[in-house]
Amino acid sequence: AQSVTQLGSHVSVSEGALVLLRCNYSSSVPPYLFWYVQYPNQGLQLLLKYTTGATLVKGINGFEAEFKKSETSFHLTKPSAHMSDAAEYFCAVSDGRGSTLGRLYFGRGTQLTVWP
Amino acid sequence: KAGVTQTPRYLIKTRGQQVTLSCSPISGHRSVSWYQQTPGQGLQFLFEYFSETQRNKGNFPGRFSGRQFSNSRSEMNVSTLELGDSALYLCASSTFPGGDADTQYFGPGTRLTVL
Repeated sequence: AQSVTQLGSHVSVSEGALVLLRCNYSSSVPPYLFWYVQYPNQGLQLLLKYTTGATLVKGINGFEAEFKKSETSFHLTKPSAHMSDAAEYFCAVSDGRGSTLGRLYFGRGTQLTVWP
Repeated sequence: KAGVTQTPRYLIKTRGQQVTLSCSPISGHRSVSWYQQTPGQGLQFLFEYFSETQRNKGNFPGRFSGRQFSNSRSEMNVSTLELGDSALYLCASSTFPGGDADTQYFGPGTRLTVL
């Protein structure tokens, strides 16, 4: 079975500082990994995804994440935080096959606060 | 291309009533998944439909049901509402079985409040 752990339910950074949101997963098969962002009173917006190929993936709004199989991690980073990055971020995993078709397993989310 | 749409955006119901939520996937997407989001439990998978068939179901009571129509639009129904059903209900669609099949695109959600 798949599961996702997001370390830190709240992360605060200053504008212009590095953003690092941590995600570790467990999966019995090669996983597909996703980061989503949720702004207040909105749905989830896809930031980036890893399915196969290059382990460093770039997403929207300057975010990127690196798939590290040996560490079972998929941490999200952004070199310089902007006020508009303040939101809740969710890491998710699926294996896209068998009994888990169409199902994403989500972490509990990390609320990012950006201070001016 | 229009995104996933959900109606209504907000609903207020009382305990014991039933409710139907609607989801229209992105054009060409044939798989629709539903999730419940609450502060206490986070994002939990309800069920997934493809070609009008439920392929996968989460751990929710039978009061939660859904269906998918031939045009891929989907509805979910909750009967005998309880206070704990208050949540944001999110619908997502994907291109399964085509390329990018494992990527789900979410709608804005329906905020259900049960009084």
